[in-house]
Amino acid sequence: NAGVTQTPKFRILKIGQSMTLQCTQDMNHNYMYWYRQDPGMGLKLIYYSVGAGITDKGEVPNGYNVSRSTTEDFPLRLELAAPSQTSVYFCASIGPSARGQETQYFGPGTRLLVL
Amino acid sequence: AQTVTQSQPEMSVQEAETVTLSCTYDTSESDYYLFWYKQPPSRQMILVIRQEAYKQQNATENRFSVNFQKAAKSFSLKISDSQLGDAAMYFCAYRFSNDYKLSFGAGTTVTVRA
Repeated sequence: NAGVTQTPKFRILKIGQSMTLQCTQDMNHNYMYWYRQDPGMGLKLIYYSVGAGITDKGEVPNGYNVSRSTTEDFPLRLELAAPSQTSVYFCASIGPSARGQETQYFGPGTRLLVL
Repeated sequence: AQTVTQSQPEMSVQEAETVTLSCTYDTSESDYYLFWYKQPPSRQMILVIRQEAYKQQNATENRFSVNFQKAAKSFSLKISDSQLGDAAMYFCAYRFSNDYKLSFGAGTTVTVRA
């Protein structure tokens, strides 16, 4: 299994541009999440999904949109990039660990710089 | 969102010694989970240890152990026999048992001195 993969690894955007951060997991997990991590801070939940076709807002959803057309993919869309969206973005999914415990699996992150 | 507080922005430890990271949380729930995650410079989030609130026994994973004080809403992480590879940012996180969303603290940066 590749686990949770994210593309791109790094991107520079101009103010007002749009982009989609891609997230894919091959573990057949129903629950998926998008977090953002600002410098020196913990992760904050942007959006999450409990299964294909179902999404819901987290703590900081403004300026973002998501969709979940398949179990594997959970893309995050920025429509009008703003400097406040400069951050590192993590995608995650939940599933059983080797011990059978529910565990969050994180992708490697996407670093986004908005200038 | 639940509040998770890590009061130590930075901690430094000599190699082979022990360091303890503090975490407190605010919840009115009785059934929940607590986690410690490690984030090395690669930025990968790595689960270190988890604790179920209904379990009185403190979780341990090799050199990592927790001191879970449910009444005090405290969840500290002890790293024993610290190694250079333990240098990272450590995040405490909370999850209500009926909800799969995590709430994170602001993190503690651990430096290990050779």
